[in-house]
Amino acid sequence: EVQLVQSGAEVKKPGESLKISCKASGYSFTTYWIGWVRQMPGKGLEWMGVIYPGDSDTRYSPSFQGQVTISADKSISTAYLQRSSLKASDTAMYYCARHRLVGAFGAFDIWGQGTMVTVSS
Amino acid sequence: EIVMTQSPATLSVSPGERATLSCRASQSVSSDLAWYQQKPGQAPRLLIYGASTRATGIPARFSGSGSGTEFTLAISSLQSEDFAVYYCQQYDDWPHTFGQGTKLEIK
Repeated sequence: EVQLVQSGAEVKKPGESLKISCKASGYSFTTYWIGWVRQMPGKGLEWMGVIYPGDSDTRYSPSFQGQVTISADKSISTAYLQRSSLKASDTAMYYCARHRLVGAFGAFDIWGQGTMVTVSS
Repeated sequence: EIVMTQSPATLSVSPGERATLSCRASQSVSSDLAWYQQKPGQAPRLLIYGASTRATGIPARFSGSGSGTEFTLAISSLQSEDFAVYYCQQYDDWPHTFGQGTKLEIK
């Protein structure tokens, strides 16, 4: 079964850093782009960026460029989203999702279950 | 970046009736358009890609149409499980932007 399993919920204080994970299984991790999507409480979906684990080619939304880092570890089929100096406004659900086409872009066909991040003093 | 605008923000429809949701792109995205369904507490689910191709396991009552800048998602004969929020997304150009969503509610 093709699936993405994300790390558990996080509670952080402002100024702390965050690294959440997305472990892929059931397919060739290195040949599909994986992306991250933010959903703030009660709001819509925001596309943050994507990575191609095969060569770590990464694309970011201008809204998130310089604010987050997307990476991948091929050896354990896991993608990561990092953010330093967290703010209360980073409180959100974060989803990872896989592009449906091998080696190319397309819709997100497989989604992780989401990781809820709460930033509060 | 390409701005995706969905209308209406909220659509009230009775079970068994047909619903039509719209999505407009600020510039042409060809047919690089997807529709997702999201229910409370769940991750989004892919319904339609390539503007009109149903994803695996999606019932035939869901249909997508359009190209360029104007797109439509139609749901015929609404079932109780179809009441949710629907998002369109373009993947023609970076960043792959989403629309703000349409909430489909029971009338």
